[in-house]
Amino acid sequence: DTTVKQNPRYKLARVGKPVNLICSQTMNHDTMYWYQKKPNQAPKLLLFYYDKILNREADTFEKFQSSRPNNSFCSLYIGSAGLEYSAMYLCASGTIYEQYFGPGTRLTVL
Amino acid sequence: AQKVTQTQTSISVVEKTTVTMDCVYETRDSSYFLFWYKQTASGEIVFLIRQDSYKKENATVGHYSLNFQKPKSSIGLIITATQIEDSAVYFCAMREDMSNYNVLYFGSGTKLTVEP
Repeated sequence: DTTVKQNPRYKLARVGKPVNLICSQTMNHDTMYWYQKKPNQAPKLLLFYYDKILNREADTFEKFQSSRPNNSFCSLYIGSAGLEYSAMYLCASGTIYEQYFGPGTRLTVL
Repeated sequence: AQKVTQTQTSISVVEKTTVTMDCVYETRDSSYFLFWYKQTASGEIVFLIRQDSYKKENATVGHYSLNFQKPKSSIGLIITATQIEDSAVYFCAMREDMSNYNVLYFGSGTKLTVEP
């Protein structure tokens, strides 16, 4: 089973409010990733967990938080959503050979 | 600098024909991995095929195959006998062997439309 699950699939948020997105995988992968995908753009890596170690990209360091309470689950947290956060958020988990993506959460900030 | 470049923003073909999508990459690693992913209409990203840089044979999976030209740093995706349901956005990606935790670098995607 190569399933990565994400909840919710759609999220509506108000400007300035927090957003919490959830991802789970059952493949026992050490690494889980979060990407932001906007139309006509490449998926942008936001952060990833290798085991319990969080790595955040330099340009998104202060905008996104994450937690990984166990190997299977990983969350993405936005403390105060802005209009520019409207995007598809994709979770992935992987091995050295492949990354498996979840179906994504479409976030709309109003 | 962009590590993975897809210059074709969109392609339109008639079904049952063959289409090639281009991708060039940039790396200093002697060993690396190249991937193609497909993003469906629902937004889901699906892994299609992988090429390991140390392999000379072009990878093939179903009606997907790759045209790996290492001296040109090029990895083209070939879809034969295209079907309507192949319509999607296709992303090329690279992982460098010395990459930190298998991080992928993506191109900006090529939108394929397969028409009847």
